[in-house]
Amino acid sequence: LAKTTQPPSMEAYEGQEVNVSCSHTNIATSEYIYWYRQVPHQGPQFIIQGYKDYVVNEVASLFISADRKLSTLSLPWVSLRDAAVYYCIVTVYTGNYKYVFGAGTRLKVIA
Amino acid sequence: NAGVIQTPRHKVTGKGQEATLWCEPISGHSAVFWYRQTIVQGLEFLTYFRNQAPIDDSGMPKERFSAQMPNQSHSTLKIQSTQPQDSAVYLCASSRPGTGKSEVFFGKGTRLTVV
Repeated sequence: LAKTTQPPSMEAYEGQEVNVSCSHTNIATSEYIYWYRQVPHQGPQFIIQGYKDYVVNEVASLFISADRKLSTLSLPWVSLRDAAVYYCIVTVYTGNYKYVFGAGTRLKVIA
Repeated sequence: NAGVIQTPRHKVTGKGQEATLWCEPISGHSAVFWYRQTIVQGLEFLTYFRNQAPIDDSGMPKERFSAQMPNQSHSTLKIQSTQPQDSAVYLCASSRPGTGKSEVFFGKGTRLTVV
């Protein structure tokens, strides 16, 4: 499983767009990129997944570099509810394999 | 859909006692995972079942920890002779592999405190 590196923390004001980066230089061709977030007293919650290029859903967008070594999660118009720890995970695409969590990025949202 | 249900939400045990944590995966999900979360170590994988069979227990401490999945509707994590270092939030998760949707759903966790 590829190791991931994220900034430990970020701050943003409400209404701003936030971009959280994740480096996965040893990603294998069989591996996909997943993003989860965790708020206090809850388990991690799925945000988005992708393999290459650009993926968007109703919550966020995900840009993956051409060599797939870097991905960026973009959260538009963050609110206080978006304050959480964001995890980037790289694993095979099956839902059938363990996740290896890094330390994640703690996002602080300022009113 | 109530999601992954974990009980109890909080458990306090005395050192040396046994603790059993329960997990009810989402109906129809054949993969069940257990993770442990602490401030120091973060989120750590413990073990994984698929169709009730143990597949990967590489994260389980070799002594005192055991996990079972006697039927498709629940799994248990048992810790014998609990120690203060076992204090953590234990998270259960489930997924439905093979459907083209690889999202894993986590429960809210059981906070275990060993005193």
